[in-house]
Amino acid sequence: SQQGEEDPQALSIQEGENATMNCSYKTSINNLQWYRQNSGRGLVHLILIRSNEREKHSGRLRVTLDTSKKSSSLLITASRAADTASYFCAVNRDNYGQNFVFGPGTRLSVLP
Amino acid sequence: KAGVTQTPRYLIKTRGQQVTLSCSPISGHRSVSWYQQTPGQGLQFLFEYFSETQRNKGNFPGRFSGRQFSNSRSEMNVSTLELGDSALYLCASSLNTGEAFFGQGTRLTVV
Repeated sequence: SQQGEEDPQALSIQEGENATMNCSYKTSINNLQWYRQNSGRGLVHLILIRSNEREKHSGRLRVTLDTSKKSSSLLITASRAADTASYFCAVNRDNYGQNFVFGPGTRLSVLP
Repeated sequence: KAGVTQTPRYLIKTRGQQVTLSCSPISGHRSVSWYQQTPGQGLQFLFEYFSETQRNKGNFPGRFSGRQFSNSRSEMNVSTLELGDSALYLCASSLNTGEAFFGQGTRLTVV
């Protein structure tokens, strides 16, 4: 079964609101990365957070990691219609390779 | 700096045929990994190559294979295509185990 499990599976909000997506996993990790995907195109890298980090920021994005609960969250503040996409967390367990386990993703719709 | 380039972007093949997909990583990146994305199974890891050696492998049948060249470019091959192989195939490149950047993918349709 997949390690990364995003929650919720779908989220619909108004422009200007904040969106929070959660990711849970099952084993120890090396790092966790968040990606955005628009309509079946390539994945766009958002943020990488390492197992010894608790929080990272990038522009309107804030990612937290709680290794004791095996969970991560992605917060998008002041959302825009252009943020409409699917968001995936990718769990990298391997210390010696690039071997992601992805969750099913959260489909975010930002309504104008 | 050029991103990850995958060719071709779209491909239609017949059952039983074989197909080769190509991925050119970001310059200087030595790791290339491949993923299959389908509506039913989501994103699944196929394999990873690092410095021309397969470093990790997912749970796919032997019909799926890959290789990496000395310039870090990678190819994946699928033999004896089945309808269920229809998917978006994505490759990602990274320096090693850090940030991984994905290409736009190859959309394979098997008819």
